[in-house]
Amino acid sequence: DIQMTQSPSTLSASVGDRVTITCRASQSISSWLAWYQQKPGKAPKVLIYKASSLESGVPSRFSGSGSGTEFTLTISSLQPDDSATYYCQQYNSYSPLTFGGGTKVEIK
Amino acid sequence: QVQLQESGPGLVKPSETLSLTCSVSGGSVSGYYWTWIRQPPGKGLEWIGYALYSGDTHYNPSLKSRVSISVDRSKNQFSLTLSSVTAADTAVFYCARTTGARPFDLWGRGTLVTVSS
Repeated sequence: DIQMTQSPSTLSASVGDRVTITCRASQSISSWLAWYQQKPGKAPKVLIYKASSLESGVPSRFSGSGSGTEFTLTISSLQPDDSATYYCQQYNSYSPLTFGGGTKVEIK
Repeated sequence: QVQLQESGPGLVKPSETLSLTCSVSGGSVSGYYWTWIRQPPGKGLEWIGYALYSGDTHYNPSLKSRVSISVDRSKNQFSLTLSSVTAADTAVFYCARTTGARPFDLWGRGTLVTVSS
């Protein structure tokens, strides 16, 4: 299995702050990485695919970077609506497909 | 606009079989990987497996001996069965779709299944 490790597990930041979440894969996944946002009681919503491509309709303050085993999700200017849990997911291998453990973003 | 909707019992007894259906509205079941993902209360996401329109399937090895996913083209839906359930299988179950080379771009709302006697 490809293990996906996210850090931090929680973070608290103020509106307008730049926020970065890291995801590390236990082996190279090229750029086959997605980022999702999940709010309580809702299904995850894809933000970024192929490591750095912004999904249609997602605000441009979200961006992704990285390749191989190290990836980051950046929110350039944190907004109140960004309070959520964020997950990375690799789709390089379906044996099995795996998610990171999640990062909960709280607004101070 | 394509939508997914899960349905099935919210309560299943230990050792029994959990069965859920995902109805696909506004689109066809052809051309996608129809997927089930679960999330235990307060925890992260676990991929269960997928079925293709062709009938091909692929499952998480950790669940492979207990899981089956199938696509019903006539009803435009796909289904999940998970046998010999225990309390550890209590989770919100989501159906979702991908093309395989894309992330999950469409999800159902999720349905909570509790395993309890």
